[in-house]
Amino acid sequence: DQQVKQNSPSLSVQEGRISILNCDYTNSMFDYFLWYKKYPAEGPTFLISISSIKDKNEDGRFTVFLNKSAKHLSLHIVPSQPGDSAVYFCAASAGGFGNEKLTFGTGTRLTIIP
Amino acid sequence: EPEVTQTPSHQVTQMGQEVILRCVPISNHLYFYWYRQILGQKVEFLVSFYNNEISEKSEIFDDQFSVERPDGSNFTLKIRSTKLEDSAMYFCASSGRAYSNQPQHFGDGTRLSIL
Repeated sequence: DQQVKQNSPSLSVQEGRISILNCDYTNSMFDYFLWYKKYPAEGPTFLISISSIKDKNEDGRFTVFLNKSAKHLSLHIVPSQPGDSAVYFCAASAGGFGNEKLTFGTGTRLTIIP
Repeated sequence: EPEVTQTPSHQVTQMGQEVILRCVPISNHLYFYWYRQILGQKVEFLVSFYNNEISEKSEIFDDQFSVERPDGSNFTLKIRSTKLEDSAMYFCASSGRAYSNQPQHFGDGTRLSIL
């Protein structure tokens, strides 16, 4: 089941630069997308989300872009900080009413180099 | 900030034994979930729970599994007769009001090891 794909298992970025994490999906019924950050021995922490009626959502250093025609979303982190080093998961849900189950990608390990 | 809490953090159980994983969701949340992550694999949905009943379950969630909200605060996952392949991290999550997109908030998980 590869409905949500994160094709880059790892990414290294210099501190202060932009980090761009990518996610592709195949299920056209997905209408709500989320990014989670995970440290070892902790649960996923919600970062930012976007509804399919939008193409961009911004929260501080984090911006999520959604391209519905390409079934692609990305997370931009600017500027990147050492504390951003973690595994980032893309997740999606379908149904329109909210609170449906999440389908996760496999994650991208982001390393910020000081 | 309110958080989802899970106990125990690590549970070691003999194959065939029953295990109960416990969760305290965020207090004003209405939807509750269990997910699991087998080592090296994706986080997978198990079950969602709303208004005191299961709203959706995955094919993983077979008759060996059950969920319960025994009081106003706890949400439990029971595995009746554990198998080696049940070894995984189990995450509880909760989310807020109905009929709007609300992010799910996760606990730190219970590592279940079946011997």
